[in-house]
Amino acid sequence: EVQLVQSGAEVKKPGESLKISCKGSGYSFTSYWIGWVRQMPGKGLEWMGIIYPGDSDTRYSPSFQGQVTISADKSISTAYLQWSSLKASDTAMYYCVRPVVVADSSGYYYDYWGQGTLVTVSS
Amino acid sequence: DIQMTQSPSTLSASVGDRVTITCRASQSISSWLAWYQQKPGKAPKLLIYKASSLESGVPSRFSGSGSGTEFTLTISSLQPDDFATYYCQQYNSYPSLTFGGGTKVEIK
Repeated sequence: EVQLVQSGAEVKKPGESLKISCKGSGYSFTSYWIGWVRQMPGKGLEWMGIIYPGDSDTRYSPSFQGQVTISADKSISTAYLQWSSLKASDTAMYYCVRPVVVADSSGYYYDYWGQGTLVTVSS
Repeated sequence: DIQMTQSPSTLSASVGDRVTITCRASQSISSWLAWYQQKPGKAPKLLIYKASSLESGVPSRFSGSGSGTEFTLTISSLQPDDFATYYCQQYNSYPSLTFGGGTKVEIK
């Protein structure tokens, strides 16, 4: 059974750094892309970026390029989402996702989702 | 960027009703559209991909149709477990991989 298990909720102050994690199991972690989707309180869904753990190829949504860093440690089948300096506007639920890359399209949809990590940034 | 507009934003329905949700794209996306269901406090769940392909394990009362710029998600007979928010997502145009704003299906 494919599972994406995320780290727990975080409460941080503006300016602090943070790294949240997502552990994949039940499939070959290095053979599939893995990514992150943001959901701000009461709002819709936004894709942030994806990484291919096999070779660390990483792609970001233009909206999030330079704002976050996505990485992966294939030795422990874990992907990460990292901020160097949090803002109050980073308060959101963050979902780890497994994209399904479609050969005939340039994009992808998401077949598996983690349970979400709630990040709260408040002074 | 391709904009995805869902309607209605909220829908009130009763158990057993046939429910239809519409998703319109600002430009053609061929059939590169997915539908997700999200219940309160839970992660979204994939229902439909490529506009009309049912994800494994999803009940057959869910169906999708459309191509180009107009798409629909239909629930043939609404069940108590179906009260949730539904999102469409286009995946035609990387890096613009946009979701619709969501449709909340409420109990009438």
